[in-house]
Amino acid sequence: QKEVEQNSGPLSVPEGAIASLNCTYSDRGSQSFFWYRQYSGKSPELIMFIYSNGDKEDGRFTAQLNKASQYVSLLIRDSQPSDSATYLCAVTGNAGKSTFGDGTTLTVKP
Amino acid sequence: NAGVTQTPKFRILKIGQSMTLQCTQDMNHNYMYWYRQDPGMGLKLIYYSVGAGITDKGEVPNGYNVSRSTTEDFPLRLELAAPSQTSVYFCATNPGVNTEAFFGQGTRLTVV
Repeated sequence: QKEVEQNSGPLSVPEGAIASLNCTYSDRGSQSFFWYRQYSGKSPELIMFIYSNGDKEDGRFTAQLNKASQYVSLLIRDSQPSDSATYLCAVTGNAGKSTFGDGTTLTVKP
Repeated sequence: NAGVTQTPKFRILKIGQSMTLQCTQDMNHNYMYWYRQDPGMGLKLIYYSVGAGITDKGEVPNGYNVSRSTTEDFPLRLELAAPSQTSVYFCATNPGVNTEAFFGQGTRLTVV
């Protein structure tokens, strides 16, 4: 079992729809959880981070964390074509080391 | 404020050659990391450093070496390039444990 698993893609949604990206992790001692967006040929950039159970909202983005289920998700409301990218889930434990999932590629169709 | 700067951006190496990937940051962050990203995959940690003079292996360290003589610089050395090292390499920093990572632009390396 991989340490961080993301739902297999690619994921395609129409413009204006909600995109749901999921991630599970194996280390119960994980302390912080990040979602990065990576455009093709570019470096990852932070979208959201979450530390505590529950929901965290930032504009059109909502991160959800359930430590009991070892599950973290990212919802993108009112998806736009500019949201088309690969989304990487990262889980951080000791020494600040992050373990990344393989990413889910999202395509938003106009 | 440049953030995290990697050089070169692209490089083609022949099997057996060596090279150093440079990473410099002006954010005064203690934590620095080297990742590699193969096509369609996530980031795999090669080496990391929690401060000047301190380095440790990550998930995939074989074939690589690092040093951290200053807070700003964290070079990655490939001694005997192999085709399996063809990848995109990212340097990253963060200010502390459980904080956001800031990435350099990446180095696309091809070994032929």
